[in-house]
Amino acid sequence: NAGVTQTPKFRILKIGQSMTLQCTQDMNHNYMYWYRQDPGMGLKLIYYSVGAGITDKGEVPNGYNVSRSTTEDFPLRLELAAPSQTSVYFCASSSARREVEDTQYFGPGTRLTVL
Amino acid sequence: AQSVAQPEDQVNVAEGNPLTVKCTYSVSGNPYLFWYVQYPNRGLQFLLKYITGDNLVKGSYGFEAEFNKSQTSFHLKKPSALVSDSALYFCAVRDSPITGGFKTIFGAGTRLFVKA
Repeated sequence: NAGVTQTPKFRILKIGQSMTLQCTQDMNHNYMYWYRQDPGMGLKLIYYSVGAGITDKGEVPNGYNVSRSTTEDFPLRLELAAPSQTSVYFCASSSARREVEDTQYFGPGTRLTVL
Repeated sequence: AQSVAQPEDQVNVAEGNPLTVKCTYSVSGNPYLFWYVQYPNRGLQFLLKYITGDNLVKGSYGFEAEFNKSQTSFHLKKPSALVSDSALYFCAVRDSPITGGFKTIFGAGTRLFVKA
């Protein structure tokens, strides 16, 4: 049971380049999330999904896109990278058995730098 | 709108002394409160949560937190700090699903430094 895995661990992009951050969970969780963590700012929710085929915007969705074709995978797409997207990105998942309790399980993160 | 505040950027404590990491919240309905810990270069790990019931919640690694509705606080505590407790701690709040929707809001984090 690997939990939540993310790839890559590190990435440097040039302005305008595109990339996909991968996230996979093996806990059969319905709910998945993408956060970005900026220094001193805590975590900001980018997108979330309540199940395969269903996604919705979080607090800071601009410049990102997601898809959820399976329960396990929730990739995050950056289409035109900008320096403002330099951050650490965390994927998380939680069970829907009791939605309000929402204990989230986090991946190890992807450190992205846009130059 | 729901929000959570962690008023201290850093807390310094000597090993063996009690520690407190503060958190206050604002929600429109019943609060669901969480503490997470982040060690260097790792993702967040769940420590404990308050959903309902006893105001004193016990969690992992000897941590506990006290829910105080009148002060809208959920401070994290430990009777005797360890050097290995040094990490970044996040408080999080989620509103009831009727009024607050699905999102969980995280505080900015408090860095705990335990000196040997």
